[in-house]
Amino acid sequence: GGIITQTPKFLIGQEGQKLTLKCQQNFNHDTMYWYRQDSGKGLRLIYYSITENDLQKGDLSEGYDASREKKSSFSLTVTSAQKNEMAVFLCASRAGCQNTLYFGAGTRLSVL
Amino acid sequence: DAKTTQPDSMESTEGETVHLPCSHATISGNEYIYWYRQVPLQGPEYVTHGLQQNTTNSMAFLAIASDRKSSTLILPHVSLRDAAVYHCIRMQGTGSKLSFGKGAKLTVSP
Repeated sequence: GGIITQTPKFLIGQEGQKLTLKCQQNFNHDTMYWYRQDSGKGLRLIYYSITENDLQKGDLSEGYDASREKKSSFSLTVTSAQKNEMAVFLCASRAGCQNTLYFGAGTRLSVL
Repeated sequence: DAKTTQPDSMESTEGETVHLPCSHATISGNEYIYWYRQVPLQGPEYVTHGLQQNTTNSMAFLAIASDRKSSTLILPHVSLRDAAVYHCIRMQGTGSKLSFGKGAKLTVSP
């Protein structure tokens, strides 16, 4: 079986700081996703990528950049962290021909 | 727009059979119904999925209405480990935007 690894697990940043979250998968999946989850709320799609070097905006892309330089990795950058921001960022992947999503454990962001 | 509707929460007791409803009235013919569950401090994990026929696996039974406008995830003999947020979503065949709602929080009491 494969695994999705998100780093770091916890991220503490300062207001205005640029922060980068990383996601690696060894499933050899084509499509990867970044979601944001706020406490008590659903998952909101930030960016997704259907293949290496592809990027597609989700519903919450403003304030974020993403990069898919390799098939196995998908990075997300918070371009300017907002004060008191707290959320969990979840990375997921799935094969092009299969629908099941596999998620990482998440990166928990706190901004001071 | 998650395009599915679930209750915010449901309560149950260990050993009961739980029915978790999901409404997806505008579902397209090529969209599958997928269920995921999420426990604290983890990402969602796959439970089951279906297109038109009812399906069953070791985790749950998925009952899909004949008009496909709703489905019910049935968890037999729940245990404390089944307490989680259950997400019902619609998914098309290939790489596309996938939206999740809040899901339904299932509480299981001893």
